[in-house]
Amino acid sequence: DTEVTQTPKHLVMGMTNKKSLKCEQHMGHRAMYWYKQKAKKPPELMFVYSYEKLSINESVPSRFSPECPNSSLLNLHLHALQPEDSALYLCASSQDGAGGSYNEQFFGPGTRLTVL
Amino acid sequence: GNSVTQMEGPVTLSEEAFLTINCTYTATGYPSLFWYVQYPGEGLQLLLKATKADDKGSNKGFEATYRKETTSFHLEKGSVQVSDSAVYFCALRILTGGGNKLTFGTGTQLKVEL
Repeated sequence: DTEVTQTPKHLVMGMTNKKSLKCEQHMGHRAMYWYKQKAKKPPELMFVYSYEKLSINESVPSRFSPECPNSSLLNLHLHALQPEDSALYLCASSQDGAGGSYNEQFFGPGTRLTVL
Repeated sequence: GNSVTQMEGPVTLSEEAFLTINCTYTATGYPSLFWYVQYPGEGLQLLLKATKADDKGSNKGFEATYRKETTSFHLEKGSVQVSDSAVYFCALRILTGGGNKLTFGTGTQLKVEL
């Protein structure tokens, strides 16, 4: 199984709502990533978890809260978002957080988030 | 710092035409280089990669060669198909204290017409 799955596929939420995005992989990977992608732009890294510990936070606002309950699951909890947070949120995983030549990132299909 | 520069799109080609998408990079250290493809409404898929100078990555008829002397990793395909229509991202990866970070170019949209 070389797949990263993300749920939901689409999400519409108000600025006062609390919601969560979910990402799952069963490749035995120990590093997982959240990216944000605006239309016609490249993905921007938000967070990296390595061995279930947060290793990189790219100065993301606290209204985004990541969680890695186990090595297969990654969540992104959303609270008090702004309309400008509307974007495609991509999850990725890799064997681990190192830079070895084998260590490519596999991406999920994304969650399309709209904040009203 | 690290950066990737890609040619502006959209690139519009007829089916069976030759494709080149230019990519150059600036990096501190010795990066690995990647091409990712994003089809409409989907996530990114790794298309090909190269980890050292003069390596050639290839997949599905696409090729790119890691040229250290020109800091380039241009994507080529001899004969494109309508199904190749997508956005193509060039990226580099460096090893950091925190782990595996990709730096993406801005993306080049390819449209292939019959």
